[in-house]
Amino acid sequence: QSALTQPASVSGSPGQSIIISCTGTSSDIGGYEYVSWYQQHPGKAPKVLIYDVRYRPSGVSDRFSGSKSGSTASLTISGLQVEDEADYYCNSYRSDSTYVFGTGTKVTVL
Amino acid sequence: QVQLQESGPGLVKPSETLSLTCTVSGESVTNDIHYWTWIRRPPGKGLEWIGHVSGNGASNYNPSLKSRVTISLDTSKNQFSLRLSSVTPADTAVYYCARGSLLYMFLDDWGQGALITVSS
Repeated sequence: QSALTQPASVSGSPGQSIIISCTGTSSDIGGYEYVSWYQQHPGKAPKVLIYDVRYRPSGVSDRFSGSKSGSTASLTISGLQVEDEADYYCNSYRSDSTYVFGTGTKVTVL
Repeated sequence: QVQLQESGPGLVKPSETLSLTCTVSGESVTNDIHYWTWIRRPPGKGLEWIGHVSGNGASNYNPSLKSRVTISLDTSKNQFSLRLSSVTPADTAVYYCARGSLLYMFLDDWGQGALITVSS
């Protein structure tokens, strides 16, 4: 099972916006509206930021937003803050009724 | 509020079977709107979805691990478990259990994680 493809790292200055891409295939991202995004700080469990491509769970900052075009999903972080420095993972449902994570992106706040 | 807690041996020998249990509090594992999932993160690598079991006991597994994995429910203890056979050092990872939503297809609650090292 191949992981979804994410950039290894993305960086930005406080206040800027950054975009993390997540590329899959027609058997996962391209075929379903079931993309979720997770944030993981060192030594902590992942936390969901976005589900079903673009929806935020209660309590998640509106600085995080999600979208999808074809087989590529994107997470945008607006108004970048120091506490946003973490690892980010996309996840998608697949046609074989399994799930797959992305390769992960390390976000650095300069 | 649901809580999940992983438990198991921290060290497993190569070729043996890794066994982990996730104890769920605040909700029954037989709830038919959630599924119960195992995920791992090897040192220096990303998250890997291992598989899940639904409240009726049906399971799905990562195709790359399917021949070695079993995820099952223990309804009497409100737990679910992971068994991974024929382990190698490549199976060394932090293992997480998590609750997934069947309505919205995401993992909304996670355990704190358990480090499992495969070494002789």
